[in-house]
Amino acid sequence: GQQVMQIPQYQHVQEGEDFTTYCNSSTTLSNIQWYKQRPGGHPVFLIQLVKSGEVKKQKRLTFQFGEAKKNSSLHITATQTTDVGTYFCAGKGSNYKLTFGKGTLLTVNP
Amino acid sequence: SAVISQKPSRDICQRGTSLTIQCQVDSQVTMMFWYRQQPGQSLTLIATANQGSEATYESGFVIDKFPISRPNLTFSTLTVSNMSPEDSSIYLCSVLGGPGEQFFGPGTRLTVL
Repeated sequence: GQQVMQIPQYQHVQEGEDFTTYCNSSTTLSNIQWYKQRPGGHPVFLIQLVKSGEVKKQKRLTFQFGEAKKNSSLHITATQTTDVGTYFCAGKGSNYKLTFGKGTLLTVNP
Repeated sequence: SAVISQKPSRDICQRGTSLTIQCQVDSQVTMMFWYRQQPGQSLTLIATANQGSEATYESGFVIDKFPISRPNLTFSTLTVSNMSPEDSSIYLCSVLGGPGEQFFGPGTRLTVL
């Protein structure tokens, strides 16, 4: 079955440093989605990437979808304490189901 | 976007008992999903619940353990039956928004002693 690997599992940064999490699928995806889960909260949708090579930005967040539609990354520039949480990628294959990566827990030292 | 509520928000249960979790959505949706998130882990899809038909279960999850009801387009329940400590998790329901993102409920935090 479809597998989605995500690294790193944990990342601790000083406030102001950049952060990147990477996602890799065992199969070609129709799209990939990113979610953020704050400590004690539930996953909240951030963005969906559909096209090969697509790059989208949301303020300090940059999302990329690989040319082969099998990998993706989320980059945060100049992290802030409000960025703390677990970032999940989730890949969608040929059906409606999402396969979630294991997530990257980001902690930010003020 | 959809607004989703879940009841209970948390519970502590004894092993061998059952708990029914309710999920209410503020709009009519075709598909509802039930996920499990074990402590510090990712989200695992338990089943997809469509109104008017049997739920579709993922590998490793069976109807006898996790019976699901979907009586209408805004409501679903998930029962965790004959619980053991390994069932301690957060249980989340979700629905599809458009264009394809999922909205999650606040979750039910279950602890089984």
